[in-house]
Amino acid sequence: NAGVTQTPKFQVLKTGQSMTLQCAQDMNHEYMSWYRQDPGMGLRLIHYSVGAGITDQGEVPNGYNVSRSTTEDFPLRLLSAAPSQTSVYFCASSYSLRINTDTQYFGPGTRLTVL
Amino acid sequence: EDQVTQSPEALRLQEGESSSLNCSYTVSGLRGLFWYRQDPGKGPEFLFTLYSAGEEKEKERLKATLTKKESFLHITAPKPEDSATYLCAVGTYNTDKLIFGTGTRLQVFP
Repeated sequence: NAGVTQTPKFQVLKTGQSMTLQCAQDMNHEYMSWYRQDPGMGLRLIHYSVGAGITDQGEVPNGYNVSRSTTEDFPLRLLSAAPSQTSVYFCASSYSLRINTDTQYFGPGTRLTVL
Repeated sequence: EDQVTQSPEALRLQEGESSSLNCSYTVSGLRGLFWYRQDPGKGPEFLFTLYSAGEEKEKERLKATLTKKESFLHITAPKPEDSATYLCAVGTYNTDKLIFGTGTRLQVFP
């Protein structure tokens, strides 16, 4: 199993540009999520999905869109990048929907810089 | 408001010098407490889950313990390869998301 994979590893955007961060998992996990990690702050939840076709907002959803057309893939879209979105983005997945008790597995991250 | 605080922010140890990292939490109902290890430039890697006060789990030189207000990650005779940031996260009854602390950056020198 490859686990959770993310592409690209690094990305530089100009303000106003759009892009999609890719996330895939091959563990047949129902729950998938996106976090951002900023210096001095804990990981913060952006969006999450409890199964194909079902998504919901997390703690910091503004400026980001998601969709879940398959169990395996959960892309994160930035519609109009802003410097405040400069961060490291992690995708995570969990076998069950009980994320307050069950382990989440994280991808390697995408480091995004918005100029 | 649910909150998770980790201390210290950074810790420098000599190889073999045992110590503890702290994760204190104020939440309305604990469902699970998670410890992760994060190496520079990589994603968090799962270490332990603790569910109830008094529970302990061990893995190699690491031992995690849980009380009603805090968790400790004890590192016995650390080696340089234990250098990493250690993250604590809490799952609660009130919400379906995890609350993460800001981490403790551990450096172990030979």
